[in-house]
Amino acid sequence: RKEVEQDPGPFNVPEGATVAFNCTYSNSASQSFFWYRQDCRKEPKLLMSVYSSGNEDGRFTAQLNRASQYISLLIRDSKLSDSATYLCVAVYNFNKFYFGSGTKLNVKP
Amino acid sequence: ETGVTQTPRHLVMGMTNKKSLKCEQHLGHNAMYWYKQSAKKPLELMFVYNFKEQTENNSVPSRFSPECPNSSHLFLHLHTLQPEDSALYLCASSQELRDEPQHFGDGTRLSIL
Repeated sequence: RKEVEQDPGPFNVPEGATVAFNCTYSNSASQSFFWYRQDCRKEPKLLMSVYSSGNEDGRFTAQLNRASQYISLLIRDSKLSDSATYLCVAVYNFNKFYFGSGTKLNVKP
Repeated sequence: ETGVTQTPRHLVMGMTNKKSLKCEQHLGHNAMYWYKQSAKKPLELMFVYNFKEQTENNSVPSRFSPECPNSSHLFLHLHTLQPEDSALYLCASSQELRDEPQHFGDGTRLSIL
């Protein structure tokens, strides 16, 4: 069983749409979670951290559900520039970093 | 512009060659990481260094040999690689070895003939 699982997509949405991704993790001892975005043939870049209380950064909202062991990312008012692959990460024991395979998002005009 | 630089960007080598990948971070971080990213697979953590000391070897074959001479530099020495080792190798760093975000380099795209 994979440590972190994501729907690979692709999610094809029109500009202005709201889209949500979920990511499940298997280790209940996971301490921290992050969302990264990775553009084609580029390195992953941190999008946002995920806190227990949830957090919002502009059009992006991340939430954590420890009981069900998943994290989510909500993107409102999608832009063409949001097209990328979104990776979720679960961390435990401070040095165990597990990435999901990524969810591909295509925002179309 | 990334604070983590990797060289070379692309590398093609035969299975009997020896080569090294280099990573340098200009962020003053103390922890550095090597990851492997294969097509359609998640990033796989290979090695973790904290203050130059290796703290994690994620069951990586011995044909991959890391070296961390100081907190700013990290190498991955390659020897007798297999075709399945073809992948994107990413270096990352973080301020400390904690559950905090990592900054990635552009990666080295490695092809084994």
